[in-house]
Amino acid sequence: GESVGLHLPTLSVQEGDNSIINCAYSNSASDYFIWYKQESGKGPQFIIDIRSNMDKRQGQRVTVLLNKTVKHLSLQIAATQPGDSAVYFCAETYTGNQFYFGTGTSLTVIP
Amino acid sequence: DAGVTQSPTHLIKTRGQQVTLRCSPKSGHDTVSWYQQALGQGPQFIFQYYEEEERQRGNFPDRFSGHQFPNYSSELNVNALLLGDSALYLCASSLTARGPGANVLTFGAGSRLTVL
Repeated sequence: GESVGLHLPTLSVQEGDNSIINCAYSNSASDYFIWYKQESGKGPQFIIDIRSNMDKRQGQRVTVLLNKTVKHLSLQIAATQPGDSAVYFCAETYTGNQFYFGTGTSLTVIP
Repeated sequence: DAGVTQSPTHLIKTRGQQVTLRCSPKSGHDTVSWYQQALGQGPQFIFQYYEEEERQRGNFPDRFSGHQFPNYSSELNVNALLLGDSALYLCASSLTARGPGANVLTFGAGSRLTVL
């Protein structure tokens, strides 16, 4: 099966600091990656995506970096806010239909 | 604009029973995927429906079946429930089309199934 994992299951940061959430993937054929945020009692919410022909993509306060050489994905959140507290998942696909999700990293923002 | 809606939000069943979960996709989406999320885990792909047919299936037994209707809504059926089927069942819709972001899944809040 696929292996999409995260390096750290939990992460605590001070409000205003930057957060970095990491993800390793195992399938070199994966060509599309998405980061999702899941708050308690809700479904995953799209944050940002990146295709394999890119190394970096920026959104509002978020940046995703893709290193295909080592099959590593990271999500950077600038000026982390209490509302960013949630579980973050990376997801990969090579079929475009089936996404493989990691276990998730729980981010806690300390006010 | 309504997003993905799922029903019921919570339900309790006993082993051996059958359950049907329902999903209405986001307006404009034509593809529905179902995921199972066990507590503390990431979502696991069950299957995807497009044009009323199962397009792709994950590693789930035949007890899990589905259907997509002409209006793109979908149902997930699980027969002969086991304790291990207790999970959050997520429906996600997307648009099958070329172009950036076409594959982005929009998730519903899920249906929490407890099997006793």
